[in-house]
Amino acid sequence: DTGVSQDPRHKITKRGQNVTFRCDPISEHNRLYWYRQTLGQGPEFLTYFQNEAQLEKSRLLSDRFSAERPKGSFSTLEIQRTEQGDSAMYLCASSLFPSANNEQFFGPGTRLTVL
Amino acid sequence: AQKVTQAQTEISVVEKEDVTLDCVYETRDTTYYLFWYKQPPSGELVFLIRRNSFDEQNEISGRYSWNFQKSTSSFNFTITASQVVDSAVYFCALKEGGSEKLVFGKGTKLTVNP
Repeated sequence: DTGVSQDPRHKITKRGQNVTFRCDPISEHNRLYWYRQTLGQGPEFLTYFQNEAQLEKSRLLSDRFSAERPKGSFSTLEIQRTEQGDSAMYLCASSLFPSANNEQFFGPGTRLTVL
Repeated sequence: AQKVTQAQTEISVVEKEDVTLDCVYETRDTTYYLFWYKQPPSGELVFLIRRNSFDEQNEISGRYSWNFQKSTSSFNFTITASQVVDSAVYFCALKEGGSEKLVFGKGTKLTVNP
């Protein structure tokens, strides 16, 4: 299967710990996005990369959050000093730019629970 | 500011009924894109359709159809002859021309009962 993959699928951590998530996009896709989805809400945009360049960041991405895509392929999202409010599903998506549909393909997400 | 409103939080229908999911959007851009995604219980968002602001033609794909009306800033989604497999949360989303950010509504949870 060549869809977007995310690892881990579930993460439980204690408040104050650091966590890191990985996203592997569809192989030929040059754009990669991170979203956060809390229970009962739609996904909220966090940031996106074109190749290795981070081109847009939401105000939701506080100083405790950092995302990287060092070689323009996979990406990592790190949350430092986690808080209970960080509990959410973290979704990764990728797309090919330019393309006719401008469609973002989503991965299965990483569900984070902060105790 | 961009915003998407899905006023229906939950809808429950019986199999074979038609159902319409409403979506109202706000944007100041003249160039924008509208999307519908499906999120089944497994959690993965599945792309259904994309529309740009210059194309108001309605679209039909099998049992799915979409009605885009700029005059009312709406992009409604109809499922004809619903099936149990249609049970999911459906999200409407907006992307303005100058941004890659998708702005999602809160979603409508559709339950189709046998």
